Amino acid sequence: DARVTQTPRDKVTEMGQEVTMRCQPILGHNTVFWYRQTMMQGLELLAYFRNRAPLDDSGMPKDRFSAEMPDATLATLKIQPSEPRDSAVYFCASALMNTEAFFGQGTRLTVV
Amino acid sequence: QKEVEQNSGPLSVPEGAIASLNCTYSDRGSQSFFWYRQYSGKSPELIMFIYSNGDKEDGRFTAQLNKASQYVSLLIRDSQPSDSATYLCAPGAGSYQLTFGKGTKLSVIP
Repeated sequence: DARVTQTPRDKVTEMGQEVTMRCQPILGHNTVFWYRQTMMQGLELLAYFRNRAPLDDSGMPKDRFSAEMPDATLATLKIQPSEPRDSAVYFCASALMNTEAFFGQGTRLTVV
Repeated sequence: QKEVEQNSGPLSVPEGAIASLNCTYSDRGSQSFFWYRQYSGKSPELIMFIYSNGDKEDGRFTAQLNKASQYVSLLIRDSQPSDSATYLCAPGAGSYQLTFGKGTKLSVIP
């Protein structure tokens, strides 16, 4: 059963700490998206990769956020230092070329 | 900046009625259009996609696309309480940058 796997599912951290979220895309998919969802802003595109190369990360606060794909089976999103306004659900999604994007279960981040 | 506009709702329809969800987009380069459904506390899942002008039907769902007007809609016939969810529109650009609207919350009243 192919699925996008995100870890952790829930994360509570103190302001100023580093947070790392991980995503394992579906095997064979070459496009990976990172989204942030809040009640106020909806589903915001933070960054996306094609064949592990970053194509657009303009939606991401550069001073504290970074996204990478160390290899084809792992995508990471890091926040350093974290702030309370970063509290949200972070979704990873993967797709093969321009077809349907499949979403992971999300990481619920709470920064206190 | 690519913009996607949806009526946030909530949209309430009685069971068995037709629910009509609308979406406008600003990027004329968009070639593909996706409708996702998101239940509360869950992740989005694809229910329809459309590439060409006109209508595309899949069971109780019909997607309608008008590229000249930069408008895409989703009709749900014979609405069921299980259709109650938030519906997200996502135009895909040529580079496949998938940008979502804020979604329309649909409530189907038994």
